[in-house]
Amino acid sequence: SQKIEQNSEALNIQEGKTATLTCNYTNYSPAYLQWYRQDPGRGPVFLLLIRENEKEKRKERLKVTFDTTLKQSLFHITASQPADSATYLCAPTGSSNTGKLIFGQGTTLQVKP
Amino acid sequence: EAQVTQNPRYLITVTGKKLTVTCSQNMNHEYMSWYRQDPGLGLRQIYYSMNVEVTDKGDVPEGYKVSRKEKRNFPLILESPSPNQTSLYFCASSAAEVLAEDEQFFGPGTRLTVL
Repeated sequence: SQKIEQNSEALNIQEGKTATLTCNYTNYSPAYLQWYRQDPGRGPVFLLLIRENEKEKRKERLKVTFDTTLKQSLFHITASQPADSATYLCAPTGSSNTGKLIFGQGTTLQVKP
Repeated sequence: EAQVTQNPRYLITVTGKKLTVTCSQNMNHEYMSWYRQDPGLGLRQIYYSMNVEVTDKGDVPEGYKVSRKEKRNFPLILESPSPNQTSLYFCASSAAEVLAEDEQFFGPGTRLTVL
């Protein structure tokens, strides 16, 4: 069955450093991969989408890579700020137009001033 | 303001007492979905709807019902709630014709406790 793995341990970094979060998937080949941010007690908020034919995508301080050989996506936040502290969820999704979307469990990022 | 709304935001109930959590979106989205989120288990899809009168099961549909009579509304029904349905519930919608290609907009969540 499809499996998505994100680091379950919180990632603690110092303000100004680059945070790198990992999303690994097995037993399927997603054509798209979405990243969301979730603050405690709130609904997830969409950040970025990357397609399988895109190796890298950027949006302001965010950068996402998609390596279909390694079956992995990396999510980078450069010049991190305390306001970036949140849980980040990945959702690798196949190309068939079903309504199903599977999320990873998320990685919590803590940026310390 | 474009948004997904859920009601109630908090609910404490007892085992077996039927309840409905409402979800409404004002973005004219065709796709809507319900998720539950539990510590250690992440966000899991309960049901989804690709359009009016079209619904389908997600990964954890047992104990839940949904209906999609209008485009904007997608209520979640618990006919006989049990304590294992205590969770944080999110409704989401998307304009995407191909779901994977576009973002989902999530509601603020409903925290349900079943005693």
